[in-house]
Amino acid sequence: NAGVTQTPKFQVLKTGQSMTLQCAQDMNHNSMYWYRQDPGMGLRLIYYSASEGTTDKGEVPNGYNVSRLNKREFSLRLESAAPSQTSVYFCASSPGSGANVLTFGAGSRLTVL
Amino acid sequence: GIQVEQSPPDLILQEGANSTLRCNFSDSVNNLQWFHQNPWGQLINLFYIPSGTKQNGRLSATTVATERYSLLYISSSQTTDSGVYFCGLAGGTSYGKLTFGQGTILTVHP
Repeated sequence: NAGVTQTPKFQVLKTGQSMTLQCAQDMNHNSMYWYRQDPGMGLRLIYYSASEGTTDKGEVPNGYNVSRLNKREFSLRLESAAPSQTSVYFCASSPGSGANVLTFGAGSRLTVL
Repeated sequence: GIQVEQSPPDLILQEGANSTLRCNFSDSVNNLQWFHQNPWGQLINLFYIPSGTKQNGRLSATTVATERYSLLYISSSQTTDSGVYFCGLAGGTSYGKLTFGQGTILTVHP
């Protein structure tokens, strides 16, 4: 099993460009999440999807949009990238009930020039 | 929202030493997890422990929910234990939406 797969692993953008980070999980999890990690700030939740067909804002949603394409896939879109969005982005998934343990992807390092 | 504080921020050990990492939180929780981020950036779940005590090999964790803290114990540390340790937690209806502490950076020297 691959678990949680994110693409791309690395991306360099210019200010104002757009891009989409893709995430897919093969664990039949209901819930999926996008976090960003910045030095000294831990991980902060951008958006989450409690179940297929639902999405909601997290702590730092400004400048991002998400799509829960189906149960497996949850994408994060930057419509007009800004240098402040330079970060490492992590996708995660969890069962959505019971012991709601998060499984993380390997991360995507994004640099906005 | 819930506040999370981890201590110490940095910890340097010699191989074979024991250590205790702490996670304090400001409100009741129904989900608390410890993660290890290895030097390659991968986040690995160590424990799901909203209350009680669990052990897995050289690692163990205890959460005292009524006093709002959790401890991660590492015994006989190895160089492969190096990395950043995060606690992530949620309460109320937040359930799976974890709020993370800033982490403890652990360095184990041979």
